[in-house]
Amino acid sequence: GAGVSQSPSNKVTEKGKDVELRCDPISGHTALYWYRQSLGQGLEFLIYFQGNSAPDKSGLPSDRFSAERTGGSVSTLTIQRTQQEDSAVYLCASSSAGQAMNTEAFFGQGTRLTVV
Amino acid sequence: GQNIDQPTEMTATEGAIVQINCTYQTSGFNGLFWYQQHAGEAPTFLSYNVLDGLEEKGRFSSFLSRSKGYSYLLLKELQMKDSASYLCAVSYQKVTFGIGTKLQVIP
Repeated sequence: GAGVSQSPSNKVTEKGKDVELRCDPISGHTALYWYRQSLGQGLEFLIYFQGNSAPDKSGLPSDRFSAERTGGSVSTLTIQRTQQEDSAVYLCASSSAGQAMNTEAFFGQGTRLTVV
Repeated sequence: GQNIDQPTEMTATEGAIVQINCTYQTSGFNGLFWYQQHAGEAPTFLSYNVLDGLEEKGRFSSFLSRSKGYSYLLLKELQMKDSASYLCAVSYQKVTFGIGTKLQVIP
């Protein structure tokens, strides 16, 4: 596609339910990032993919969070047993950069997750 | 952590010049990005600096001093639409974002 596409754009879920967020990066971009942004806060790094592998998962806040990427393209971020503190905007970005990370990342519009 | 520091808020007048500073930890530094984020929208890329000096792009310029761990974003001829958050992001082994500077442009 022309840009990074994320779905759903909004998700309201009950506490304790699982949610799955999807990111479709720009075609050909090998690097894919997930960030989380709470209201009025900066971007919190969650995980980084290079191809299908995740060299850096250090930002995942707990074992309830997991992510995968298949075919070097689409990525899904799964949050199990959601908690109210998981409420945030989840942003995905992709880049053509390799390990040097020296080219800009293009962001999707994000998924606004609300846990009630 | 990478201790990326930038002011949380700034206010400037339409037509004026504003400089937004960013300091960071120099160890492992690969390059520095500036992004603009309007409220409720995704960040968009403004600039990338890897060498010392000033990079000019229209009304926006970005400066880097690698030895000092310092960068600034300079916005000239401010317009109301420039009201946004400006995010400093540093490439280490991954790209780490600062908390952002919320700029309000007033008439």
